[in-house]
Amino acid sequence: AQSVTQLGSHVSVSEGALVLLRCNYSSSVPPYLFWYVQYPNQGLQLLLKYTTGATLVKGINGFEAEFKKSETSFHLTKPSAHMSDAAEYFCAVSDGANSKLTFGKGITLSVRP
Amino acid sequence: NAGVTQTPKFQVLKTGQSMTLQCAQDMNHNSMYWYRQDPGMGLRLIYYSASEGTTDKGEVPNGYNVSRLNKREFSLRLESAAPSQTSVYFCASSEQTGPGNTIYFGEGSWLTVV
Repeated sequence: AQSVTQLGSHVSVSEGALVLLRCNYSSSVPPYLFWYVQYPNQGLQLLLKYTTGATLVKGINGFEAEFKKSETSFHLTKPSAHMSDAAEYFCAVSDGANSKLTFGKGITLSVRP
Repeated sequence: NAGVTQTPKFQVLKTGQSMTLQCAQDMNHNSMYWYRQDPGMGLRLIYYSASEGTTDKGEVPNGYNVSRLNKREFSLRLESAAPSQTSVYFCASSEQTGPGNTIYFGEGSWLTVV
């Protein structure tokens, strides 16, 4: 069975600071990894995904994530936070059989002026 | 582009009442999903439909039924609502059921059972 761990429930950064949201996964097969963002009272929107190939993946809004197999991690980063980045972020993994996603519990990002 | 459309957006039910959440997608996707979102628990899969005419249970199917009415529409039914089903429900779709396929989400339906 696959699983996703997102430690902590809330991260607060200052505007302009580095954003680092951690994600670790467990999967018995090569994983496909996703980061989704959810703005208040909205659905989830894909930020980026890793399928195969290059382990550093670039997404929308300046976010990127690096797949590290040895660490079973897929941490999300952004060099400089904007106020508009305040949202909830979900890491997810799908296995080799289908598109069903297993989500982490999510982490809320707050950005201080 | 409408994408994935869910109705209703908000609903209050009394315990024991039944209701159906409707979902339609206009992206010609083969696969559709229903998730529920609860605080601190992320999203959990209730049911999915890999293709028209098929449905399968997800992680938390108890208390729910689904119907894949056609390629576009996938409904979720609560036969006898319980307070534990108070949640935000998301319908989603993907082109195929391959592991790297992106899943596209609707905007959610807020359900309160009193």
